Amino acid sequence: QSALTQPASVSGSPGQSITISCTGTGSDVGNYKFVSWYQQHPGEAPQLIIYDGNKRPSGVSNRFSASKSDKTASLTISGLKAEDEADYFCCSHDGGSLWVFGGGTKLTVL
Amino acid sequence: QLQLQESGPGLVKPSDTLSLTCYVSGGSLRISNFRWAWIRQHPGKGLEWIGTFYYPDNTYYNPSLRSRVTISVDTSKSQFSLRLGSVTAADTALYFCARQPNIYHAFDIWGQGTLAIVSS
Repeated sequence: QSALTQPASVSGSPGQSITISCTGTGSDVGNYKFVSWYQQHPGEAPQLIIYDGNKRPSGVSNRFSASKSDKTASLTISGLKAEDEADYFCCSHDGGSLWVFGGGTKLTVL
Repeated sequence: QLQLQESGPGLVKPSDTLSLTCYVSGGSLRISNFRWAWIRQHPGKGLEWIGTFYYPDNTYYNPSLRSRVTISVDTSKSQFSLRLGSVTAADTALYFCARQPNIYHAFDIWGQGTLAIVSS
């Protein structure tokens, strides 16, 4: 069970869109639609922003969207705002009730 | 509104057992619609799933930690616990407890985390 691969950092200017990738294997991302994404601001707990591949919990902005292609899941944030600056983590089911997270991506809003 | 709150000793000596507790308020651990998990974050690093419990007595553990970890539940106290044995400096991390609804596959509610430092 290896961590999912995410870019260490991404950046964008306010109003722009950015995409964060999350690459796994055929045993996790490639085999299940249950990818979730989490936002973590410094000193805070992670917050769920996407579950079951592309669904948003109540209260999460529709500027957050997600998709998956083969072994890579992607999180897109549109209309970037300063408050979006945070760390983002993906997570996938790994079969047999196991779970694996990505290494995290630091988003900088320029 | 369900809330989770972790507690622990803060400092643990190498080779000892780390014991952490997650107190659940505003809900019941007995509800079979949910699972209860422990997740940790090494300083400045990513998240690592440790294990999940669901009522009444099912547990799943990260294979890399399985030989050292136990998750248990005390429904009378509305809390679930993590025990991690034979700790080393590599176990120094921020430990979170979290809820997993059965209807969707994610961790939807998290505690604020408790820092555990392994040092002599």
